[in-house]
Amino acid sequence: DTGVSQDPRHKITKRGQNVTFRCDPISEHNRLYWYRQTLGQGPEFLTYFQNEAQLEKSRLLSDRFSAERPKGSFSTLEIQRTEQGDSAMYLCASSTNTGESSGYTFGSGTRLTVV
Amino acid sequence: DAKTTQPTSMDCAEGRAANLPCNHSTISGNEYVYWYRQIHSQGPQYIIHGLKNNETNEMASLIITEDRKSSTLILPHATLRDTAVYYCIVSRGGYNKLIFGAGTRLAVHP
Repeated sequence: DTGVSQDPRHKITKRGQNVTFRCDPISEHNRLYWYRQTLGQGPEFLTYFQNEAQLEKSRLLSDRFSAERPKGSFSTLEIQRTEQGDSAMYLCASSTNTGESSGYTFGSGTRLTVV
Repeated sequence: DAKTTQPTSMDCAEGRAANLPCNHSTISGNEYVYWYRQIHSQGPQYIIHGLKNNETNEMASLIITEDRKSSTLILPHATLRDTAVYYCIVSRGGYNKLIFGAGTRLAVHP
């Protein structure tokens, strides 16, 4: 296990379609985060999990977005009825439960293009 | 979490030291300063973090002022591969999520 894996790397979808992304964190990491990044901006926090529990959701996460982490391992992020404004890079990160933490490990992201 | 202010962009000659400043005047006593960087088309990468003391690792050095209101990330011998966006983040760490700003776009040129 060498890092955080995200699949797919790229996704092109038509407006109105549903898409699902997958994130496999580092196996011993119990925290998992989802971020969204648009061109020229820093990553924006969407949600995070502690094991299988979703502990916080950003107001950016509209009701068309849903994230799950069954069994506290991999996570999925689903976007229903995609809109052009959903086009962005979706980043996943994981970390451990340490106090100050040595930091998050990010995946390479899934780039979504809604046409 | 406290907010940070960074220059939008900086240039550095290859082989020279790159000094990236960050202001965090509202930092609290229990908040750490974290630095990440993001190379084009990749996820952000952790560089270094510190609380009060200066820190050094194989990637960089972090200098935090005595009043902790600002810090500087130093890449001692910048290479072309250091061209990236550098993010300075203040956070209590642990359970607290990282909030990214726009960062500093560092261009290292030959």
